[in-house]
Amino acid sequence: QLQLQESGPGLVKPSATLSLTCTVSGGSIGSTSYYWGWIRQPPGKGLEWVGSIYYSGSAYYNPSLKSRVTISVHTSRNLFSLRLSSVTAADTAVYYCARHEATAAGKPFDYWGQGTLVTVSS
Amino acid sequence: QSVLTQPPSVSGAPGQWVTISCTGSSSNIGAGYDVHWYQQLPGTAPKLLIYTNINRPSGVPDRFSGSQSGTSASLAITGLQAEDEADYYCQSYDSRLSGSGVFGTGTKVTVL
Repeated sequence: QLQLQESGPGLVKPSATLSLTCTVSGGSIGSTSYYWGWIRQPPGKGLEWVGSIYYSGSAYYNPSLKSRVTISVHTSRNLFSLRLSSVTAADTAVYYCARHEATAAGKPFDYWGQGTLVTVSS
Repeated sequence: QSVLTQPPSVSGAPGQWVTISCTGSSSNIGAGYDVHWYQQLPGTAPKLLIYTNINRPSGVPDRFSGSQSGTSASLAITGLQAEDEADYYCQSYDSRLSGSGVFGTGTKVTVL
């Protein structure tokens, strides 16, 4: 059974860089069939797709966050990472990692991590 | 602001039928892009409920069904049960946003 687990600091200072890791178990991140993505959810609000990456390192991002986001993949360690720079309180959210098919755009996210809350505060 | 609009809340008594709409435009649902639905129970991660407009993943009860027409999609829950009380989100693709996951605004379903 595929499992995804987010990890990283729960508190980040304003203007700093948020860094999270998603470790995949029960399957290979090197699969040619899937992309691996990040989705976030501010407290009490809806879901927002952040970006996705393929095992090759090809990534694409939400246009509204593109200037601040970097997603990288580490196939030897079966994990992928998120970096979000110049954070503000508006970036406070639960961050989820998830998987979706690579066959076309707009595929569903079929496996999700449990999520990790990141608070931006001094 | 999301390009996919859902009603903030719907409610129904146990055993009743409720529907949740997901209204888009000609650059997403109206362009023929697939719609997916997620259920998010309190304090948990979203769970895929319906994919590619009408399909249910293994283990999802057939009380849940999806449909799509024109620039909108709908999720129906028949025989509403207490455990269905959750937030529901639609997802599609928007050709103007170049993104994989354009989510709807979300709907809270309350079982009376």
